[in-house]
Amino acid sequence: DTGVSQNPRHKITKRGQNVTFRCDPISEHNRLYWYRQTLGQGPEFLTYFQNEAQLEKSRLLSDRFSAERPKGSFSTLEIQRTEQGDSAMYLCASSLSGTGTYFGAGTRLSVL
Amino acid sequence: GNSVTQMEGPVTLSEEAFLTINCTYTATGYPSLFWYVQYPGEGLQLLLKATKADDKGSNKGFEATYRKETTSFHLEKGSVQVSDSAVYFCALILTQGGSEKLVFGKGTKLTVNP
Repeated sequence: DTGVSQNPRHKITKRGQNVTFRCDPISEHNRLYWYRQTLGQGPEFLTYFQNEAQLEKSRLLSDRFSAERPKGSFSTLEIQRTEQGDSAMYLCASSLSGTGTYFGAGTRLSVL
Repeated sequence: GNSVTQMEGPVTLSEEAFLTINCTYTATGYPSLFWYVQYPGEGLQLLLKATKADDKGSNKGFEATYRKETTSFHLEKGSVQVSDSAVYFCALILTQGGSEKLVFGKGTKLTVNP
């Protein structure tokens, strides 16, 4: 059990570019979550997968954001046409029912 | 709606001082309550939890009691150490349709000086 892994740890991009982040959850966990954390705030829920099915999306997730979990294992979060307001820490978490939610170290996105 | 309010920081204490970080919540139903800690450069780690009224969660000398009558879950530690310096988040969990979605407070930054 190596914990939740996120890559890259840091991403700097120019406004208008597309970026993609990857999350590898704890191997036996069937639930996967994406959260966003801005400076001085707590994490905010973005979306949730159970196995490969995306079951819930927050209103925070505009149509420029898309998340996938194609085989029920790793997940990707893509942001198209990035804006400066997208600058934040993107956190991935995983869980197995009733056992607690475990977070990765996050990907810090800076949009210039 | 469902929300968590925690005391604003930053909080600065000397080593061995007593710590209290206040947390209150608003929720429909009876949520489970959590404290997470985030050390510099690291992800969130679960510190302690309580799943029903009057439960006390504890870990590493930290404690918090689920108080339904005051909708509170205050974090306490009798004697803080420099290594406790971190950001602390109070959170509740909403269970709906199988999802366990966490709702977080804004966080309280704690600095402990030697």
